[in-house]
Amino acid sequence: GAVVSQHPSWVICKSGTSVKIECRSLDFQATTMFWYRQFPKQSLMLMATSNEGSKATYEQGVEKDKFLINHASLTLSTLTVTSAHPEDSSFYICSAGPQGSPLHFGNGTRLTVT
Amino acid sequence: GEDVEQSLFLSVREGDSSVINCTYTDSSSTYLYWYKQEPGAGLQLLTYIFSNMDMKQDQRLTVLLNKKDKHLSLRIADTQTGDSAIYFCAADNTDKLIFGTGTRLQVFP
Repeated sequence: GAVVSQHPSWVICKSGTSVKIECRSLDFQATTMFWYRQFPKQSLMLMATSNEGSKATYEQGVEKDKFLINHASLTLSTLTVTSAHPEDSSFYICSAGPQGSPLHFGNGTRLTVT
Repeated sequence: GEDVEQSLFLSVREGDSSVINCTYTDSSSTYLYWYKQEPGAGLQLLTYIFSNMDMKQDQRLTVLLNKKDKHLSLRIADTQTGDSAIYFCAADNTDKLIFGTGTRLQVFP
């Protein structure tokens, strides 16, 4: 079945630094990938839709300059949290799926900003 | 926009059946999904149902869809302690998935 790989699975960084998270589709091509954020004991909130070869579409309230998304190939999307602050600490999950098929999720990246 | 709601908590005895309920608002959703999330992990796709179906069975899992009432349920037969997790229902909305709040299933011996 469709496999989505996310890396790293966890990262600790200092306030003010930037962190890049990768999301790869391993056995299919994905023109679209989705980035979600999950706060403890809460549901997943869609942050943005990553579009291969074009700009990402951000949900209302998500700062595009803060959360940079790059989807340079059909199998890779990256989310960069720029100038991270403790309030950015969260669980970030990407998802993708073959066209016309259900979405599969990566294992998530737990970001802790100290 | 789409709104998806679930009850927050369910506790069942091992061996019993669990039924997790979900309601959604957008009748144009094409697929409805159930995902499982264990502590500290990502989401695992359990099953999904196409909107023109009313039932789908996959081993211990049975999904029922009442499109008229916009109600989705997941039944887990012979619930095991390994089924303890958070279960999310989700509805697609113009290619995006909108998630419910999640139901925490606790299975006790």
